[in-house]
Amino acid sequence: GQNIDQPTEMTATEGAIVQINCTYQTSGFNGLFWYQQHAGEAPTFLSYNVLDGLEEKGRFSSFLSRSKGYSYLLLKELQMKDSASYLCAVLDSNYQLIWGAGTKLIIKP
Amino acid sequence: IAGITQAPTSQILAAGRRMTLRCTQDMRHNAMYWYRQDLGLGLRLIHYSNTAGTTGKGEVPDGYSVSRANTDDFPLTLASAVPSQTSVYFCASSEKSSDTQYFGPGTRLTVL
Repeated sequence: GQNIDQPTEMTATEGAIVQINCTYQTSGFNGLFWYQQHAGEAPTFLSYNVLDGLEEKGRFSSFLSRSKGYSYLLLKELQMKDSASYLCAVLDSNYQLIWGAGTKLIIKP
Repeated sequence: IAGITQAPTSQILAAGRRMTLRCTQDMRHNAMYWYRQDLGLGLRLIHYSNTAGTTGKGEVPDGYSVSRANTDDFPLTLASAVPSQTSVYFCASSEKSSDTQYFGPGTRLTVL
């Protein structure tokens, strides 16, 4: 079966750095997405990786290792507004997104 | 303003009733999707459409139907609602099936 694993919850301090990991086992791979979802709102797109390596976008970076079935989202200079759930999703061989359950990130002052 | 709209925002429904959730996008995206999101679970695909006139079944299609008569609209119908269909429903669209998906604001549905 297809499976996406990510931690259920993480806590970090304002101004710090946090890394959210995602491991996947899917039938085929056509890219990995990270989305942010604030409570009661819709998911919003953060990043996309299809090749191995690091993609940097401001305070957020995403890394992919296809051989290890592994990705992480790195958030720097954490702000209170970064408190949200972070969703990892893999585009499988049928071009359907398989979603992890999400990681709830709690930022403390 | 370009984007995706969903209606209603929330609904309480008696079991056995028929309900249609509406979704409209103005980005001229070819592909559209319906997901449900339940606590502790990832988003699960209900139905999708890669282009107007075609639809396909996702991971959890039972009890739901869709149609795609034109590019902009993708309604989701619950023929006879059951309590297990209580969930938050998100519509999404992408330019094509391999592209980034953009989400509507969601519909919170409660079936009693």
